[in-house]
Amino acid sequence: SAVISQKPSRDICQRGTSLTIQCQVDSQVTMMFWYRQQPGQSLTLIATANQGSEATYESGFVIDKFPISRPNLTFSTLTVSNLSPEDSSIYLCSGRDRDPYEQYFGPGTRLTVT
Amino acid sequence: SQKIEQNSEALNIQEGKTATLTCNYTNYSPAYLQWYRQDPGRGPVFLLLIRENEKEKRKERLKVTFDTTLKQSLFHITASQPADSATYLCALDIYQGGKLIFGQGTELSVKP
Repeated sequence: SAVISQKPSRDICQRGTSLTIQCQVDSQVTMMFWYRQQPGQSLTLIATANQGSEATYESGFVIDKFPISRPNLTFSTLTVSNLSPEDSSIYLCSGRDRDPYEQYFGPGTRLTVT
Repeated sequence: SQKIEQNSEALNIQEGKTATLTCNYTNYSPAYLQWYRQDPGRGPVFLLLIRENEKEKRKERLKVTFDTTLKQSLFHITASQPADSATYLCALDIYQGGKLIFGQGTELSVKP
């Protein structure tokens, strides 16, 4: 199994600013993903973080708003740009290897936008 | 439209009983179905994975069934304990590429 850490664990940001979240995996994983979990709701996939290339975004999520980097197999960042109160949510990073297929999640970053 | 639905109500059971959680889906053909546990303020923790060609999977007190005809998975916790209290999420892996589609979760409360 992989252990995933995220920084920061929580933050309060002002409208119009940006927050960058870091995700570190303790071992190499083939795939890394970013999810959003809005208050009282389930997880929604934002994008697949691709090593050394542009992330693959899901419908409703765009690179200008959620730029993602993955410079190597164990590290990724998600930036939430031009923050609005609607971006208040928990953002989770996950990692998965090819086989077995279970995913390992970080503890999440709780973002509050004021 | 594509939907994943879990028990809409929270599930309250007595310690020692079997908890049964339901995950139904429509208009998906998942290669895998996974169950996760999520505690408040934490990320989901993987519990079990079942493949489309498997009917049942067990791990200690946990059992998962997968009926691709009914488009349903059942998740059982036998001899439940208060420590089993959490939200349980089912997730479909429909692209075999790791992109998971999550249900909304079922909150389980086990009373001593």
